Amino acid sequence: AQSVAQPEDQVNVAEGNPLTVKCTYSVSGNPYLFWYVQYPNRGLQFLLKYITGDNLVKGSYGFEAEFNKSQTSFHLKKPSALVSDSALYFCAVRDRTADKLIFGTGTRLQVFP
Amino acid sequence: DGGITQSPKYLFRKEGQNVTLSCEQNLNHDAMYWYRQDPGQGLRLIYYSQIVNDFQKGDIAEGYSVSREKKESFPLTVTSAQKNPTAFYLCASSIDPSRARYYGYTFGSGTRLTVV
Repeated sequence: AQSVAQPEDQVNVAEGNPLTVKCTYSVSGNPYLFWYVQYPNRGLQFLLKYITGDNLVKGSYGFEAEFNKSQTSFHLKKPSALVSDSALYFCAVRDRTADKLIFGTGTRLQVFP
Repeated sequence: DGGITQSPKYLFRKEGQNVTLSCEQNLNHDAMYWYRQDPGQGLRLIYYSQIVNDFQKGDIAEGYSVSREKKESFPLTVTSAQKNPTAFYLCASSIDPSRARYYGYTFGSGTRLTVV
């Protein structure tokens, strides 16, 4: 079965420090991977995606993600965290048997001043 | 501007009532989706539709119903059979399925449903 896992419910980081939000996946064949961010009482906003090509993908708001096929991971990163980055982050993988995305359970990022 | 509009933003339902959540998009997207979000459980798929007049059950369809009479609209009815409907409901859309693998979803701002 295709799935995506976000092993951390919450990540805490000090402003200015680098941040990593982890995601691992399980799919057959080449994965199509996505990261979304959700602010309180709002819908999800697209951050970035990996379809093919370079393993380091750059996205919105200074975020990037590294695709690692051998570790089946797609971790979200940012070199210097901002307090305004505090939000709920979702990793997703496209289901290859149906037209839908499979979402992880989300990781709450808290950036402290 | 193109986007997805969900209404109302907040909705209160009495026990035993059916309520309908609206989702409208002007992105000319073919596929539309309804997700339910509960704390600590991420997003769970309720129903999705790839074309007009066709839809499929997702992982938690019991107690819900949908229709897709127009490309732009995908309303969700929460029926009295749904025993625990209090949640945040998100509607999304995506481009046609033949190209969908390269694209993600566009989401609405959500409707928070509370049973009173």
